[in-house]
Amino acid sequence: GESVGLHLPTLSVQEGDNSIINCAYSNSASDYFIWYKQESGKGPQFIIDIRSNMDKRQGQRVTVLLNKTVKHLSLQIAATQPGDSAVYFCAENRHTGNQFYFGTGTSLTVIP
Amino acid sequence: KAGVTQTPRYLIKTRGQQVTLSCSPISGHRSVSWYQQTPGQGLQFLFEYFSETQRNKGNFPGRFSGRQFSNSRSEMNVSTLELGDSALYLCASSSGTGHREEKLFFGSGTQLSVL
Repeated sequence: GESVGLHLPTLSVQEGDNSIINCAYSNSASDYFIWYKQESGKGPQFIIDIRSNMDKRQGQRVTVLLNKTVKHLSLQIAATQPGDSAVYFCAENRHTGNQFYFGTGTSLTVIP
Repeated sequence: KAGVTQTPRYLIKTRGQQVTLSCSPISGHRSVSWYQQTPGQGLQFLFEYFSETQRNKGNFPGRFSGRQFSNSRSEMNVSTLELGDSALYLCASSSGTGHREEKLFFGSGTQLSVL
């Protein structure tokens, strides 16, 4: 079946290092992707988005890369800080209106 | 600008009961979506409302229903609660233009526990 999945369920990085969180998707019709950050006790928080006609998009300390050939999405966080510790989700829109399909999430832990 | 507001924050119910959750979207947003989040299934789409009409629906049984009011506020109802309905229910709002590239903004959710 089709799914949005993450390669690693957990990731630990040292403070100051760069983090890379990966996401694989299987629906080639997906044309819009969002990365969300969810801290304990809170709802998902929008981080950055990317359309399928782009390969890369940068925000503040974050970069999203999209490889449509292998259906792979990644989120890069530069100079990771303790406040970045959270669960990160990728979400895809599969041409179904405003409905998004979410990955299972990667838990990022930043070690001081 | 206030964010998405969900009430109540926590709920404890018993099997067989019904529950109603409330969501106030960001001012000016006309679309409200509901998601269920569980440790095993992650975030799953329940339904979306726009202009008081259900515009999209996920694969959940009919026990899950919702509605939207003229001020864009939304409620979702779960009847005949089952233990497996225990989850964090998240509401998300977006502008509602109908364009697929609409950012979803989430509330903090309602944590429902069914005993």
